[in-house]
Amino acid sequence: SQTIHQWPATLVQPVGSPLSLECTVEGTSNPNLYWYRQAAGRGLQLLFYSVGIGQISSEVPQNLSASRPQDRQFILSSKKLLLSDSGFYLCAWSVIIHEQYFGPGTRLTVT
Amino acid sequence: QKEVEQDPGPLSVPEGAIVSLNCTYSNSAFQYFMWYRQYSRKGPELLMYTYSSGNKEDGRFTAQVDKSSKYISLFIRDSQPSDSATYLCAMSAGGTSYGKLTFGQGTILTVHP
Repeated sequence: SQTIHQWPATLVQPVGSPLSLECTVEGTSNPNLYWYRQAAGRGLQLLFYSVGIGQISSEVPQNLSASRPQDRQFILSSKKLLLSDSGFYLCAWSVIIHEQYFGPGTRLTVT
Repeated sequence: QKEVEQDPGPLSVPEGAIVSLNCTYSNSAFQYFMWYRQYSRKGPELLMYTYSSGNKEDGRFTAQVDKSSKYISLFIRDSQPSDSATYLCAMSAGGTSYGKLTFGQGTILTVHP
């Protein structure tokens, strides 16, 4: 069966510090991968998606970037965090394109 | 106007009640309609997935899509306290959308014993 992992689960970072969040998927090959952000009390906002290694599409211009160095690994990064980057970051995967399965999320607080 | 509108609630019902959750949308290109359940501080869990108009049933859950009205619903029969969660609708167009989902803001549901 397929499993998706995200780490860390919780992160508190000062403004201006770098960020690296990692997501890995097990039990499937060549999945589509997605990064979402969920602000408190709001729906999910798609940040990036990837249909293959090295292929990244950005949905929202912002302070963040994404990379996919391996088939089942997706990384979200920032060089300098802003207060507005705080939120709940979710990674998701899909093979059947409209069935997306989410990871447990990383709760980021920028202070 | 947001592409997907969802009443945030909160919605509070007694155990055993029938719950109706709804979303409206403005983008006529949407063809795939999903409902997710999200427990507090967890990732969303896919409940149901419907293509185009019609009904789909899975146990106590029924999803309805009316594309002519741009309106979708999720019904929960015999609601249980374990159904207490935030319910998110999500939608996607076909073609080269690569499964990009547009979410509603979620409805908070509490089922009281």
